Amino acid sequence: NAGVTQTPKFQVLKTGQSMTLQCAQDMNHEYMSWYRQDPGMGLRLIHYSVGAGITDQGEVPNGYNVSRSTTEDFPLRLLSAAPSQTSVYFCASSRTGSKLGVYGYTFGSGTRLTVV
Amino acid sequence: GEDVEQSLFLSVREGDSSVINCTYTDSSSTYLYWYKQEPGAGLQLLTYIFSNMDMKQDQRLTVLLNKKDKHLSLRIADTQTGDSAIYFCAEQWDEGTYKYIFGTGTRLKVLA
Repeated sequence: NAGVTQTPKFQVLKTGQSMTLQCAQDMNHEYMSWYRQDPGMGLRLIHYSVGAGITDQGEVPNGYNVSRSTTEDFPLRLLSAAPSQTSVYFCASSRTGSKLGVYGYTFGSGTRLTVV
Repeated sequence: GEDVEQSLFLSVREGDSSVINCTYTDSSSTYLYWYKQEPGAGLQLLTYIFSNMDMKQDQRLTVLLNKKDKHLSLRIADTQTGDSAIYFCAEQWDEGTYKYIFGTGTRLKVLA
């Protein structure tokens, strides 16, 4: 089925470890983004990309890196995990261009990360 | 930054109407959205409204937009237990960069 695929679904890390959260979409969407969801705080934008080779910071980028070498993939790297990064992470993608608003975002099913 | 505000909880009885409210901040937002998140899942687009509209109806869903007060609402008619979920409103923050700002989410609980 077409959509946004995130792996892994669950992960436990020790403080200081690094890891990469994977995100892939097969809809040829140019726009991709990473959000974190914390209780009572809604979704906060970490990083986003409007196309291959182009990335930019969102609201809460510290401690995270991204790259966009292909249209399909947008991995999120945690450089040195901290307990404050315990959260649910969502990848989302969208078309770009005029009238993009009618399509909204397509979200992955999320990665639940716990840092101990 | 911008803030999009929602009440955190709403409880209704099955068959009643639900009204979920949202206050947004950027009057220049082009589109406003409602997303639904079921337990353990990602967000799913429910509906959207263009900023030059006052109302949009889609089956059991009615979206009302009051631009003067920057108030958005989602009414669900004949609420069912399957409607229990978290509902997020979102505004298109920056049309050029396709970024949205999401509200904190309203958890709707439907009582049988």
